[in-house]
Amino acid sequence: KAGVTQTPRYLIKTRGQQVTLSCSPISGHRSVSWYQQTPGQGLQFLFEYFSETQRNKGNFPGRFSGRQFSNSRSEMNVSTLELGDSALYLCASSLVMINTGELFFGEGSRLTVL
Amino acid sequence: AQSVTQLGSHVSVSEGALVLLRCNYSSSVPPYLFWYVQYPNQGLQLLLKYTTGATLVKGINGFEAEFKKSETSFHLTKPSAHMSDAAEYFCAVSSSVLKGAQKLVFGQGTRLTINP
Repeated sequence: KAGVTQTPRYLIKTRGQQVTLSCSPISGHRSVSWYQQTPGQGLQFLFEYFSETQRNKGNFPGRFSGRQFSNSRSEMNVSTLELGDSALYLCASSLVMINTGELFFGEGSRLTVL
Repeated sequence: AQSVTQLGSHVSVSEGALVLLRCNYSSSVPPYLFWYVQYPNQGLQLLLKYTTGATLVKGINGFEAEFKKSETSFHLTKPSAHMSDAAEYFCAVSSSVLKGAQKLVFGQGTRLTINP
């Protein structure tokens, strides 16, 4: 069974640009979550989607947005990039509907903003 | 609000020695607790979890953790360290009552180094 797939794995952008990251969950998983990982702030929750609906959102500015498609694939978008957005963005998928926290993570998309 | 504190950002042990990684949590509701491991340039992998029932939880790769409600702790242990255990370890908590909302709060992580 294929794991969570994130694309692209690495990307470099400049300040002011926007970026779209993609996540394909494990087959059958309907919940997709996004986390930002930085050396200074650690792992921070961005948002979570289930059946194309955002169920929960972290404390990030409106420049960070996401969506989920009918096939459960998800994208997140960051507009007007800032240097501080440089991070590893991790996507995780989950099968169950209740909150057990058993998430399956992808390898991440490493974003560098210059 | 929930929070997690991992004591020690770096832990170094000798191969074959006991591994002890400390985690304390804060939660106003019964928590679900987790340990995840992250190897370089990879995502996170679930080591073990506590939801309900037995407070001593066994996970993969010989790791185990004990939920102690009175101490609000969930420390991770392994009797004998292997070189392959070198990685970063994250303790996390989620709420057992937030049905339909998957959200984990992570600690800052502990980098484990194994000395030959």
